Amino acid sequence: EADIYQTPRYLVIGTGKKITLECSQTMGHDKMYWYQQDPGMELHLIHYSYGVNSTEKGDLSSESTVSRIRTEHFPLTLESARPSHTSQYLCASSERYEQYFGPGTRLTVT
Amino acid sequence: DQQVKQNSPSLSVQEGRISILNCDYTNSMFDYFLWYKKYPAEGPTFLISISSIKDKNEDGRFTVFLNKSAKHLSLHIVPSQPGDSAVYFCAARSGAGSYQLTFGKGTKLSVIP
Repeated sequence: EADIYQTPRYLVIGTGKKITLECSQTMGHDKMYWYQQDPGMELHLIHYSYGVNSTEKGDLSSESTVSRIRTEHFPLTLESARPSHTSQYLCASSERYEQYFGPGTRLTVT
Repeated sequence: DQQVKQNSPSLSVQEGRISILNCDYTNSMFDYFLWYKKYPAEGPTFLISISSIKDKNEDGRFTVFLNKSAKHLSLHIVPSQPGDSAVYFCAARSGAGSYQLTFGKGTKLSVIP
């Protein structure tokens, strides 16, 4: 089972601020993912990476950006936070098809 | 258009009885299906999966059934325990060469002691 960590767990921030959500995994998985989820809704893929220096946008349009400089690290950045970015952000990694999730970051933009 | 549908937002079951959670899909290219459990304020936890070449997979109290002709799968939990109370998500892999998953909206299971 993957060990995958996200920080911070909760973040309340004002409009216009730049934020970075951290995600790290210790299992050496090549594949990593970022999802956005609102209560009662499905998880929406916003970014994914199949390896170092490889990143792609997911199905849900997002104003965030990601980077993958190291296998274990996949941070997500919002240059200018807006109230519409309020959501839960979930990071996951996988070796094959089963994805293993971190605990999530609950972001509130005021 | 939702490709993975969980039409029951919630389900209540008595402790010790069977819980049956259902999932329908529309994309015939899906070839691998997974179930996840999610507690509040935590990330989803992988439970069990099934390949489209099988019709049943069992792991302890959890069994997943796949009916390809009906594009339907179900998760059976027997016996249900209070600790099973959580939101259950059905997910499907998009097909050969893809590692992306498409998720349903989830079903909230409440197991009553």
